[in-house]
Amino acid sequence: GAGVSQTPSNKVTEKGKYVELRCDPISGHTALYWYRQSLGQGPEFLIYFQGTGAADDSGLPNDRFFAVRPEGSVSTLKIQRTERGDSAVYLCASSLYGDSTDTQYFGPGTRLTVL
Amino acid sequence: AQSVTQLGSHVSVSEGALVLLRCNYSSSVPPYLFWYVQYPNQGLQLLLKYTTGATLVKGINGFEAEFKKSETSFHLTKPSAHMSDAAEYFCAVSGTMNTGFQKLVFGTGTRLLVSP
Repeated sequence: GAGVSQTPSNKVTEKGKYVELRCDPISGHTALYWYRQSLGQGPEFLIYFQGTGAADDSGLPNDRFFAVRPEGSVSTLKIQRTERGDSAVYLCASSLYGDSTDTQYFGPGTRLTVL
Repeated sequence: AQSVTQLGSHVSVSEGALVLLRCNYSSSVPPYLFWYVQYPNQGLQLLLKYTTGATLVKGINGFEAEFKKSETSFHLTKPSAHMSDAAEYFCAVSGTMNTGFQKLVFGTGTRLLVSP
């Protein structure tokens, strides 16, 4: 079966622009996670969805970042007024239930570059 | 709060040699521990995980790790390195007492280089 997919694979934008990053989780997975991986660092948690609702958004750095999952499947991470510091690889992961022993399956990521 | 420390941003071994990647964690609650591997331009793939039970955990591709509570460690080993093992390896910790879900905290990663 298909794994987690993310589009686009690369996104170059200018400072101040708005961007949307898309994640297609594995079919049937109720839990969906977004992470951000800066150069030379490990992934950092951004937000967790259980179904359609954001159960934990404590990792979002500020109110320029927002994510939705309206039908409990595809998710979109939205970044307003992008800054050069937002440049990173944005990773999406999904798991079957979201509980503590689940396996998270990661997508290949979207590399965002803000000029 | 939880954190992970991976000693050595780069580890170099010869093909056939022992692989040892170090991971120490800090957690105020009983931890769940994970090792992920990341190949270039690919997503992270789970190698193995410790949740409860046996402290020696076996994973894919011949890797294993041992949870040592007294040392707060979860080092990753493989008896004999293959060229195909060259990749970035991430240790991660999660605890569920406060969150109720698997909120992973990752280390900074260790790049494994394998020479012929």
